[in-house]
Order: sequence, then structure tokens, then C-alpha cells
Amino acid sequence: AQTVTQSQPEMSVQEAETVTLSCTYDTSESDYYLFWYKQPPSRQMILVIRQEAYKQQNATENRFSVNFQKAAKSFSLKISDSQLGDAAMYFCAYRSAFTDKLIFGTGTRLQVFP
Amino acid sequence: IAGITQAPTSQILAAGRRMTLRCTQDMRHNAMYWYRQDLGLGLRLIHYSNTAGTTGKGEVPDGYSVSRANTDDFPLTLASAVPSQTSVYFCASSDERGNNEQFFGPGTRLTVL
Repeated sequence: AQTVTQSQPEMSVQEAETVTLSCTYDTSESDYYLFWYKQPPSRQMILVIRQEAYKQQNATENRFSVNFQKAAKSFSLKISDSQLGDAAMYFCAYRSAFTDKLIFGTGTRLQVFP
Repeated sequence: IAGITQAPTSQILAAGRRMTLRCTQDMRHNAMYWYRQDLGLGLRLIHYSNTAGTTGKGEVPDGYSVSRANTDDFPLTLASAVPSQTSVYFCASSDERGNNEQFFGPGTRLTVL
């Protein structure tokens, strides 16, 4: 069975600085998708970024980028130029190419200080 | 309606009572899901439906049932609520023909006393 591990329950960063959130996963499959979701205090789950395992190039969405290391089964999220609005819970998630079901990590709470 | 709606937003329920959480989407997505979110555990899949008329069990299905009579609606029922079912419940949907993204509803906070 696949598992997703987020080893940092909490992280903090100063406004305008860069922070990296860690995620590792375990799978025997070669074709899958990885996601980072943001959950602000409003509780809404918001997709931040997506990575297809067959793509070697790391995904980027504005200030958000990932470091996808397939051999190491690592999928970290880098937030550049952090803003107060980035404060939230961040969840890493895995999805097999053969099912629609997401497997989530336990989340990392990010605090952003002015 | 735009996206996914859930009702109620929050509910306090006595143990032993029956409760149905409602979920409706207007995106014509084939697949729908129910997750529960608990502190320190992330989101865990309760039940899912790949298409209208079919359902399947997720990671934590015990004590819950679902039905999928049509494409838009995917209610989750707790037949006899217990305190361990206190949680935040999220409904989600996805279109396997699309980019694999799951869209989430706003969640229902359920407290079972």
C-alpha cells in the first residue's frame, strides 16, 4: 500500500523569505501523480501544484515550485517570497495512475511572520 | 451552484442518532469521494464512487454508508453516530478525463456527543 509522510508538523518563515516543506512517499508503482494542497483557516482545500511522475521537469506555479526526486521518492514544496496569506496547513498527496483515490500526508502547518 | 456544495456547514449530534451529510456538484464529474479530516491524521478516504450507480469502500468505511443515485449527488450517512465520528468531512469530485485534480467542497464539521 502507498503511504505519504510529512515529517514536519509545523514550520515557520519570515515574510519575503523562502521555505521548503518536505514530503516523502512509498510506492511500488512507476506511474502516479503528486499534489500539494493548501488549507487556510477557511478550511477550503486548494490545489497548489501538481506533478506527474513521468515528467522529469519540476512543476512550478508562480512562487510555488517542487523538487521531485523520483528515485528518492521525495516531493518537497518550495515557497518563495513568502506572504502572510501563505499561512495555512499544507498537505502532500499521492494518486496512483490506476485509481482516482488520493492518499494524504498528515500535513504541515506553516506560519508566516511579518 | 458553482463547484461542490456541502450541507450542513456544521452539526452537533447526539450519539446514536442518524445523520446524512449532503454533497452536490455541478461539474458533471463522474467520480466523487468522501474524506474525514482529523488532527494529526490528515484526510482519510471513507467511500468513493467512480460513476453513478457504483460505490466503493475507502480506508475508513466502518459506520458510514453512501449512495450514488445520480451524477450530481453523493450523500454520506451515519446510521448510528458515535463520538469517534466527530470530525470534519469533505466531499470531493474529479473527472478522470481531465487533469486528475480533485475539487473539494467546503467541509462539514460534525460533533457527536
